Amino acid sequence: DIQITQSPSSLSASVGDTVTITCRTSQTTGNSLNWYQQRPGRAPSLLIYGASTLEVGVPVRFGGTSSGTDFTLSISGLQPEDSATYFCQQTYTTPPTFGGGTTVGI
Amino acid sequence: QVHLQESGPGLVKPSETLSLTCTVTGTSISTYYWTWIRQPPGKGLEWIGYFYSSGRTTYNPSLESRISSSVDRSKNQFSLNLTSVTAADTAVYYCARVRSIATREVDIWGQGTLVTVS
Repeated sequence: DIQITQSPSSLSASVGDTVTITCRTSQTTGNSLNWYQQRPGRAPSLLIYGASTLEVGVPVRFGGTSSGTDFTLSISGLQPEDSATYFCQQTYTTPPTFGGGTTVGI
Repeated sequence: QVHLQESGPGLVKPSETLSLTCTVTGTSISTYYWTWIRQPPGKGLEWIGYFYSSGRTTYNPSLESRISSSVDRSKNQFSLNLTSVTAADTAVYYCARVRSIATREVDIWGQGTLVTVS
């Protein structure tokens, strides 16, 4: 299975800040890396797929980039509603695997 | 609007079988691939398997020996059975849609159902 190391596990930032979350995969996954947001008590929701394609309806302050086995989710101009846990997922191989999650506190 | 709803017992005894059903509305289950994902309380996400309306399945090898599944196209439902459960199977179970077989992103999720093994 492809292992994913997601960092940091948690962070605290202020409204308007830019935050960055990183996932490193144990082997190449091409661009088959997705990002999800999970608010407390809710199901995850898709933010970004294919490493950098923004899901319809997701604010443009969210962005995804990749470099080899390193993938980054950036949130620029942090908003109160961005307080959530963020997960990355690789779907390059089966079984698809998830990062451990990053909890963003505002 | 596509909607997924999980249903099944919220409490299962150890060594028994966990059975869940996902009812899909707003689209035909024959149009997409579907998946189950679970999340133990306070922990991360674990993929369980892919399910196709044809009956074809792909399971997580870590669970494969305990999983069976079925599809009821007339009811637009797919179901999951997990046998010989233990406390480690306590989790919120989500059914969800896989939008593209090429990129396999999960774009629509059910609200999730908590299953406690005790």
